[in-house]
Amino acid sequence: ETGVTQSPTHLIKTRGQQVTLRCSSQSGHNTVSWYQQALGQGPQFIFQYYREEENGRGNFPPRFSGLQFPNYSSELNVNALELDDSALYLCASSKMGHGDTGELFFGEGSRLTVL
Amino acid sequence: GNSVTQMEGPVTLSEEAFLTINCTYTATGYPSLFWYVQYPGEGLQLLLKATKADDKGSNKGFEATYRKETTSFHLEKGSVQVSDSAVYFCALSRLDGNNRLAFGKGNQVVVIP
Repeated sequence: ETGVTQSPTHLIKTRGQQVTLRCSSQSGHNTVSWYQQALGQGPQFIFQYYREEENGRGNFPPRFSGLQFPNYSSELNVNALELDDSALYLCASSKMGHGDTGELFFGEGSRLTVL
Repeated sequence: GNSVTQMEGPVTLSEEAFLTINCTYTATGYPSLFWYVQYPGEGLQLLLKATKADDKGSNKGFEATYRKETTSFHLEKGSVQVSDSAVYFCALSRLDGNNRLAFGKGNQVVVIP
């Protein structure tokens, strides 16, 4: 049990809609990262949040946005959904700074289907 | 940029067989290297890691050695069990302090009794 929880586990949306995915990080962790895992592919880095600010972003358009809250939980928002956004969205927490082992702890993911 | 390449296709083998999954990487500098495993219905879990050249990561009977000269980090296990059936991902992290991981495509491993 990693302690990282994500919600919802599954959801279905239609093109053009907006979606919000949520993540509670593991106790003691101050950093949250989001990854997109398309079917049959490895996870792709979307962005990371540290101290409530974006701290690095992958090759994703601005309609992918996020937030980190003071309790280190996080949201991933996707606007104007496209069919290709259908994927498993993974949240990972880690501890940056003293005690950083380089390890990410992943949640089980939110599976988004866009019709 | 940083990238990871894993051998193509699923791997099917019998219980107690030897498992090798190849992983090569392209990176600037000296990244840290990881193997993550995704069991059915579960999230990604760190299996093992190595942070510098010639380091050997090991866990649950799996091993991988960081080979700088061949830019490889192949995963091996001498005798697999049915419970090792999972998807295995090789990954590397940038050394800029934000733990961003670049993953390979993953290999589905199916162990038959």
